[in-house]
Amino acid sequence: QQPVQSPQAVILREGEDAVINCSSSKALYSVHWYRQKHGEAPVFLMILLKGGEQKGHEKISASFNEKKQQSSLYLTASQLSYSGTYFCGTETGGTDKLIFGTGTRLQVFP
Amino acid sequence: DARVTQTPRHKVTEMGQEVTMRCQPILGHNTVFWYRQTMMQGLELLAYFRNRAPLDDSGMPKDRFSAEMPDATLATLKIQPSEPRDSAVYFCASGRSEGGQYFGPGTRLTVT
Repeated sequence: QQPVQSPQAVILREGEDAVINCSSSKALYSVHWYRQKHGEAPVFLMILLKGGEQKGHEKISASFNEKKQQSSLYLTASQLSYSGTYFCGTETGGTDKLIFGTGTRLQVFP
Repeated sequence: DARVTQTPRHKVTEMGQEVTMRCQPILGHNTVFWYRQTMMQGLELLAYFRNRAPLDDSGMPKDRFSAEMPDATLATLKIQPSEPRDSAVYFCASGRSEGGQYFGPGTRLTVT
């Protein structure tokens, strides 16, 4: 029951915005977002806990709709450093155990 | 700047050999995870520990894989015997309950 991410790939110019979606078939306790650059390890961006909150981190923010079992990651005024593959990780039941989505590859060009 | 460390970073071995990967989690983190990443399967959880106790190893092929945490500063993942299909990048991550997971640099394993 891997979460589904959309789109699979995004190409942006510097300064443009993007939204990445993560959808689960199961009720969620939390959603994590990570970014992974080629040849490197995933890097934690943020966690959204049950409660439908929104969080922000510099120009990257995310929302969590518990009812719809969905989360979205918003990247505004994208920078070259935002390039990489973005993964959502979903947790059910407060176990800390994550199932990762298939990833969204984001490329930002000058 | 606290980081998760993993050794070795790269390992090339022949089919049938034993492989041991080691991880030092961030001090103060009570949860340790082992993941495997391949192009085909993506990022899969193999096993994880909380306060050194194994909580779930359902993602591991149990006949050949084993994960242990002999003390709070060391987690190990062993494969015996290794097979070509085990070729992947293995990540260790640590964190606190209800917090983010912090990944080590990974061990790139190639089994020939």
